[in-house]
Amino acid sequence: DTGVSQDPRHKITKRGQNVTFRCDPISEHNRLYWYRQTLGQGPEFLTYFQNEAQLEKSRLLSDRFSAERPKGSFSTLEIQRTEQGDSAMYLCASSLGEGWASEQYFGPGTRLTVT
Amino acid sequence: GESVGLHLPTLSVQEGDNSIINCAYSNSASDYFIWYKQESGKGPQFIIDIRSNMDKRQGQRVTVLLNKTVKHLSLQIAATQPGDSAVYFCAEIYYNQGGKLIFGQGTELSVKP
Repeated sequence: DTGVSQDPRHKITKRGQNVTFRCDPISEHNRLYWYRQTLGQGPEFLTYFQNEAQLEKSRLLSDRFSAERPKGSFSTLEIQRTEQGDSAMYLCASSLGEGWASEQYFGPGTRLTVT
Repeated sequence: GESVGLHLPTLSVQEGDNSIINCAYSNSASDYFIWYKQESGKGPQFIIDIRSNMDKRQGQRVTVLLNKTVKHLSLQIAATQPGDSAVYFCAEIYYNQGGKLIFGQGTELSVKP
């Protein structure tokens, strides 16, 4: 399968714990996006990378959230001191191209449940 | 704030009928619109896109219409099939905003056999 992959698919954690998610984009895709989706809502933009540079972060991304893409390939999203409000599906997407309107391919998501 | 929204949260159609899913957007500066299909437990899947300099675009069994005057977008699915059952989202991109997608709430399409 050469699509976007995410790991783990599901994560249950206790409030206050740290969690880290991984996203492997489609090979050669230079842009990588993170979104968060709660039940019944559309995905909300969190942050994006062009190669290894993090170019934008949403105001949704509090200080407890950090994302990296150290070599311009895979990316990690870490949430520190998780709260129940962090429970959501975390989606990763990748795209190829320099333009602002290129198709984004989504991964299956990581569903986080904070108890 | 500015957002993309959908008129109807649910839509039920008979297999073989045509489906129309609507979307209203509020940012007249949006340049690019995309329809995504999301099945349960999966990430959104690209269906069709349209740029703001167009008013209609056709794909396989799908057509997207853009009315910039009233800031309205629609997705038409011809001969709807059970496999079309999913949640459909419209999304917009603002020019030169790094390509981040702004999604609406979604419409759940249910196809009755």
